[in-house]
Amino acid sequence: QKEVEQNSGPLSVPEGAIASLNCTYSDRVSQSFFWYRQYSGKSPELIMSIYSNGDKEDGRFTAQLNKASQYVSLLIRDSQPSDSATYLCAVEDSNYQLIWGAGTKLIIKP
Amino acid sequence: DAGVIQSPRHEVTEMGQEVTLRCKPISGHNSLFWYRQTMMRGLELLIYFNNNVPIDDSGMPEDRFSAKMPNASFSTLKIQPSEPRDSAVYFCASSLGASGANVLTFGAGSRLTVL
Repeated sequence: QKEVEQNSGPLSVPEGAIASLNCTYSDRVSQSFFWYRQYSGKSPELIMSIYSNGDKEDGRFTAQLNKASQYVSLLIRDSQPSDSATYLCAVEDSNYQLIWGAGTKLIIKP
Repeated sequence: DAGVIQSPRHEVTEMGQEVTLRCKPISGHNSLFWYRQTMMRGLELLIYFNNNVPIDDSGMPEDRFSAKMPNASFSTLKIQPSEPRDSAVYFCASSLGASGANVLTFGAGSRLTVL
């Protein structure tokens, strides 16, 4: 059974701090990894994708991938109240389909 | 582009009734996905189409569910007869290719309540 695990949270972070979201996956051959953000009552939207080991930065967001440990994370610097949402980790499996985590609810406290 | 368009946005129906959800993918996208999201089970892939052809329907819960894509710009998900456990948000998403490495663009979703 291919799995993607996330801590459901909620993860509460003070405004201006760094929020760290984590995700582990079971399929060793996975090559593509995604973070989607979902506001309450809205649809998921892609915020980051990463394909190689290491860090990938986009503005205040940094995705980190460690294939040996089967671990992918998302860091949000200078967290804002508008970052409060559920963050979904998605991993492409060996059949090129996405396996979704259950999501981590992030709350940024003003 | 207007993005992925879904209708209806909200549907309240009684058990046993037929429900039809509709989706218009982004023009030029050749893959279309139907997902269901609940608090208990999260986001579940029901079925996906590539070039209007159903590729994988293993996520369709049972025979009460059916999906069609008669052309590149329209798809339907039908539930007949509906049951209270079908209550969920149903998302349609499209992408340029069938591979998950292609970015999924989701519609706003159809919230279904079966009484």
